[in-house]
Amino acid sequence: SQKIEQNSEALNIQEGKTATLTCNYTNYSPAYLQWYRQDPGRGPVFLLLIRENEKEKRKERLKVTFDTTLKQSLFHITASQPADSATYLCALDESGGYQKVTFGTGTKLQVIP
Amino acid sequence: DTAVSQTPKYLVTQMGNDKSIKCEQNLGHDTMYWYKQDSKKFLKIMFSYNNKELIINETVPNRFSPKSPDKAHLNLHINSLELGDSAVYFCASSPSGRPKNIQYFGAGTRLSVL
Repeated sequence: SQKIEQNSEALNIQEGKTATLTCNYTNYSPAYLQWYRQDPGRGPVFLLLIRENEKEKRKERLKVTFDTTLKQSLFHITASQPADSATYLCALDESGGYQKVTFGTGTKLQVIP
Repeated sequence: DTAVSQTPKYLVTQMGNDKSIKCEQNLGHDTMYWYKQDSKKFLKIMFSYNNKELIINETVPNRFSPKSPDKAHLNLHINSLELGDSAVYFCASSPSGRPKNIQYFGAGTRLSVL
């Protein structure tokens, strides 16, 4: 069966450290992988997209890697800040005839001052 | 200006009632979606419309009926509400074509069925 799993439900880290979140999938062949941020009481907000033929993508303090052999994406936030505390969702976009992304289970990140 | 707006933000109702949620986007996108996020925060797609045409219909009870009067609007009507329908419902839109299938979400409608 198809699964998208994110490493843990919750992750606590100290301010200033690098947070690393994982997204593992089985029985998917995504053409693209996306990462979103969701704050309490709000809808998810798009952060980054990485293509299957890209190894790494960066945006300011964010870095995403995509390993189609391992079927895994890593999402890094460097120099983390309390304002980075949120739930982070990965989403897979498979090549197909219609537009659909499938979301992972999410990881709640708490950055402790 | 809110890009994807949905109303109401909160909906509290009794079992057995019928209710509707409305969604509008001013981004000029061709595709709109309804998602359900349960108490464990799992976000699951329900329906998708592309230019008023239904293109995704996941395994959803037929008590749920989407309607798209035009490509900027997608409404969700729910008949005979059940306790298990309690969740947050998100509307989203995305631009047409690949490679970008980025989802733009509304703020959500929190439905509580008593």
